[in-house]
Amino acid sequence: EAGVAQSPRYKIIEKRQSVAFWCNPISGHATLYWYQQILGQGPKLLIQFQNNGVVDDSQLPKDRFSAERLKGVDSTLKIQPAKLEDSAVYLCASSSQGETQYFGPGTRLLVL
Amino acid sequence: GENVEQHPSTLSVQEGDSAVIKCTYSDSASNYFPWYKQELGKRPQLIIDIRSNVGEKKDQRIAVTLNKTAKHFSLHITETQPEDSAVYFCAASNSGFQKLVFGTGTRLLVSP
Repeated sequence: EAGVAQSPRYKIIEKRQSVAFWCNPISGHATLYWYQQILGQGPKLLIQFQNNGVVDDSQLPKDRFSAERLKGVDSTLKIQPAKLEDSAVYLCASSSQGETQYFGPGTRLLVL
Repeated sequence: GENVEQHPSTLSVQEGDSAVIKCTYSDSASNYFPWYKQELGKRPQLIIDIRSNVGEKKDQRIAVTLNKTAKHFSLHITETQPEDSAVYFCAASNSGFQKLVFGTGTRLLVSP
């Protein structure tokens, strides 16, 4: 079974620029998650989708971050405008009916 | 909301020794506790998980124990090998919401 796919793998931008990340979950997985992992810390949930509906976005900085999951499959996470503190690895994960979450390789973002 | 604390932050052992990592959680409604291994620059990978109706679970050299009364759970690795060197994260969730809250991670170094 193919794993969670993410792109790009690396991104370097200037502060105040915008950036978008893409995630393709494991086929058939209804639940999709976006996590932010700052260096030296554990992943922190930004947003959780069940099919194409948002289940939890309580920790998403909505003034600059947005996410969508059209058609309940692929998802994009956007940051506009980026700040220095947004430098992190953005991990996408998916799960089926149970709790086991499978992570993608992540997108490493550096904001200069 | 849920808060997960993890200790120690770093752990150095000799090959063949045992390693123990401990986590505590705050939300008594949490009932699912996975452990993830993350090698440098790679995705978190599930190594073992436990649900609240079980006190202990083993998988070869890895075991997890759960004490619901005290709200803590531990990862035990026996006969450690250099390839066990990585950062280990514990997490907790209430399966009703499926949101994983991660600990801060333990960097395990196994020396030959």
